[in-house]
Amino acid sequence: EAGVAQSPRYKIIEKRQSVAFWCNPISGHATLYWYQQILGQGPKLLIQFQNNGVVDDSQLPKDRFSAERLKGVDSTLKIQPAKLEDSAVYLCASSSTLGNEQYFGPGTRLTVT
Amino acid sequence: AQSVTQLDSQVPVFEEAPVELRCNYSSSVSVYLFWYVQYPNQGLQLLLKYLSGSTLVKGINGFEAEFNKSQTSFHLRKPSVHISDTAEYFCAVLLRGGYQKVTFGTGTKLQVIP
Repeated sequence: EAGVAQSPRYKIIEKRQSVAFWCNPISGHATLYWYQQILGQGPKLLIQFQNNGVVDDSQLPKDRFSAERLKGVDSTLKIQPAKLEDSAVYLCASSSTLGNEQYFGPGTRLTVT
Repeated sequence: AQSVTQLDSQVPVFEEAPVELRCNYSSSVSVYLFWYVQYPNQGLQLLLKYLSGSTLVKGINGFEAEFNKSQTSFHLRKPSVHISDTAEYFCAVLLRGGYQKVTFGTGTKLQVIP
């Protein structure tokens, strides 16, 4: 069974630029999560989808971050414009449904200069 | 709201020695508990989980954890560590019932010394 795929693995941009991350969850998994992991901290949930609907985006900085999950499969997370403090690893995870075990992708390491 | 505390940010231990990584949580309701491992430049991998039943939970790679409700703890243990266990370990909690998001601790870096 293929795992959670993410791309790109690494990205370096200048502040005020835009960036987008892509995630393909495990086939059949209804729930998809985006986490932000700042160096030295645990993952922080940004947004959670159940199929193509948003369940929780309370910690998503909506003035610059956006995410979508069209057709309830793949998802993209966008930052526009980026700030220095957005430098982090962005992890995507999926689970068969809400509350079940989460499977994580390898993450995208974003550096904002 | 729930919270998770991992008091030790780094734990150095010699190869083949035992190790315990501490995790304490705070919650007003019953919880599910998890330990994840993160190797360098990789995502998180589930080591073990406590949902119900026996308070001693066995996971992958020889790790185990014990749920202690009275002390609100879920410490991770391994009797003999290997170099390959060098990684960062995260404790996480999920409230039982209804929708709740998983809350992660700040992580403990385990460094196994040859």
